[in-house]
Amino acid sequence: GESVGLHLPTLSVQEGDNSIINCAYSNSASDYFIWYKQESGKGPQFIIDIRSNMDKRQGQRVTVLLNKTVKHLSLQIAATQPGDSAVYFCAENSSGNTGKLIFGQGTTLQVKP
Amino acid sequence: ETGVTQSPTHLIKTRGQQVTLRCSSQSGHNTVSWYQQALGQGPQFIFQYYREEENGRGNFPPRFSGLQFPNYSSELNVNALELDDSALYLCASSLIWYTEAFFGQGTRLTVV
Repeated sequence: GESVGLHLPTLSVQEGDNSIINCAYSNSASDYFIWYKQESGKGPQFIIDIRSNMDKRQGQRVTVLLNKTVKHLSLQIAATQPGDSAVYFCAENSSGNTGKLIFGQGTTLQVKP
Repeated sequence: ETGVTQSPTHLIKTRGQQVTLRCSSQSGHNTVSWYQQALGQGPQFIFQYYREEENGRGNFPPRFSGLQFPNYSSELNVNALELDDSALYLCASSLIWYTEAFFGQGTRLTVV
């Protein structure tokens, strides 16, 4: 069946350290991936996306890596800050002709001061 | 440029009732998708509207229905509410169906 899985339900890091959140996807035909950040009581906030013709994309303090060989996605956050504390979801577009996103269960990032 | 807005923010309904949730898409976006997010879970795709036509549907029963208006705003209707329908309902808009989707703050629906 369809699924996007996240490794480790909770990640705890020290402020200033780098964070790495991992995600495994199941559909090799997926061609578009998005990382979202969701704070308590709010909707998911777009962080960064990547298409299957790329293996790396960088934003402000964030980098997404895509390994299609092993169907793995990761989000790297540099110099993690307390404001980065949230639940992070990877989402996968695998339906071809619709924008249906398949979300994983989420990883909670806790930043210790 | 305004973001995605949803109304109401919170709602309490009784089992068996009907509910309508509303979403205004981000300016210039013609695609709206609806998701259901149970507590502690990732969002689940309900359906998507592109230029007023349904453009994909998830594994939800027919009592979940939707509509998109000429201004690209959208409604989600749920009939015969069940206790398990209690969740955060999220609306997302995108410029076109295959580009990044931006979410609203959601409507928290509680069915009692």
